[in-house]
Parts: sequence; structure tokens; C-alpha cells
Amino acid sequence: DSGVTQTPKHLITATGQRVTLRCSPRSGDLSVYWYQQSLDQGLQFLIHYYNGEERAKGNILERFSAQQFPDLHSELNLSSLELGDSALYFCASSFSRDGYGYTFGSGTRLTVV
Amino acid sequence: TQLLEQSPQFLSIQEGENLTVYCNSSSVFSSLQWYRQEPGEGPVLLVTVVTGGEVKKLKRLTFQFGDARKDSSLHITAAQPGDTGLYLCAGVSPGAGNNRKLIWGLGTSLAVNP
Repeated sequence: DSGVTQTPKHLITATGQRVTLRCSPRSGDLSVYWYQQSLDQGLQFLIHYYNGEERAKGNILERFSAQQFPDLHSELNLSSLELGDSALYFCASSFSRDGYGYTFGSGTRLTVV
Repeated sequence: TQLLEQSPQFLSIQEGENLTVYCNSSSVFSSLQWYRQEPGEGPVLLVTVVTGGEVKKLKRLTFQFGDARKDSSLHITAAQPGDTGLYLCAGVSPGAGNNRKLIWGLGTSLAVNP
């Protein structure tokens, strides 16, 4: 157990739908990062929050959004889902803003059918 | 655009063999991290190398950062089935604050057969 909790572990949904992925960072970590992992593109950075504020955006689609709440948990919202959004979505946390040494959760496997 | 190329992409070996995987770039990184990812799990940080030419050992794993801080290698001695997994390298780009980025390679998928 890495200390980073992601729910749900698996999610199957239809095209056009909206889903919310949840992440609780490791105790004491202020930064939360969201990543998408697919076989052909590897780990793609989506977005980074530090202590409730957005710090950096990566290759995140406009259909996707995220937030970090006062208790530091984070949610990634994916809407108007397409088949190509099927992937593993990982959350990682770290204590610092600069991202040295992530701790990853076990991921959410999203399948869009 | 900074890229990290990992080679080989796939590697299947017998237990007890030695192997080396590579992580190469044309860009300089301020540091480089190696992760191992097992099926169904997130990547786990193995080591961070910071200084050009630095060598770090973690039991049977030896990590080296190139002198120019553009490349790195991971050598495993006497591989065991428990070493099976996806090995990812990630380079931290130079810069400060929001300009600092973590650039990921696609990984080397290692299978160690008993």
C-alpha cells in the first residue's frame, strides 16, 4: 500500500458519459498529480495541484477537469467520453511543489464502450 | 520538445542473466528518476540520480547518470522473476518552479523467466 488511494479501481462506461475519479494523497503530501497511461503513449501528465491550487497543466483535454479540495483529496472529471479515453488514470502525490519523488496510487482503469 | 527514449522496448531473459536498459535524450536534465511498475499497480520510485557520472546501487540494481546528464542506464545483475515489470525513466528538466517538468520515457518491459 503506497498510501495514495484511488477509487474506483475499475470503471466501464459508455461513450458520451461523464465519470469522476477520486484520489486521496499520502498523509502529509500537498501535491497531487494526475496522469493518463496508455500502451502507445506511455504516461502523459494531465494536471498538478498544490495545496488546493492548480500549479501546472499538461496534455489535458478541455473535456477533462480536476480540482483539489481543502482536505487535499482530488477529483478528475472526464466528460463526453470517447473510446480513445480508455486508459489507466493514475494519481500521484508528493510533499513538495517541485515533484521530486512521486508516490503513485494503484490507478483507475477506465474502459469506454 | 524534450524526449526520453528507452531501449530496449521489450526484454525477455532467463533467471540469473544480467541485463542493461538505457534511457537516452538529447536534452540535459537536472536529475533523473527510475521507476518500476508491476501489472495493475502504479509506478514505484526506485532511485533518483542528480550528479553527472553518479552511480547508485540498490541491491542487484545499479543506476548510472551520464556525465553530461543526458542519459542513464540501469543494470540488473542475476535477474530474478521478481524483477519482472515495466521500468520507466523520468527526467526533471532544468528550471525553477512551474518551468520544471518531469519528462517520461515509454519504458522497458522486462520479463524474467524462471
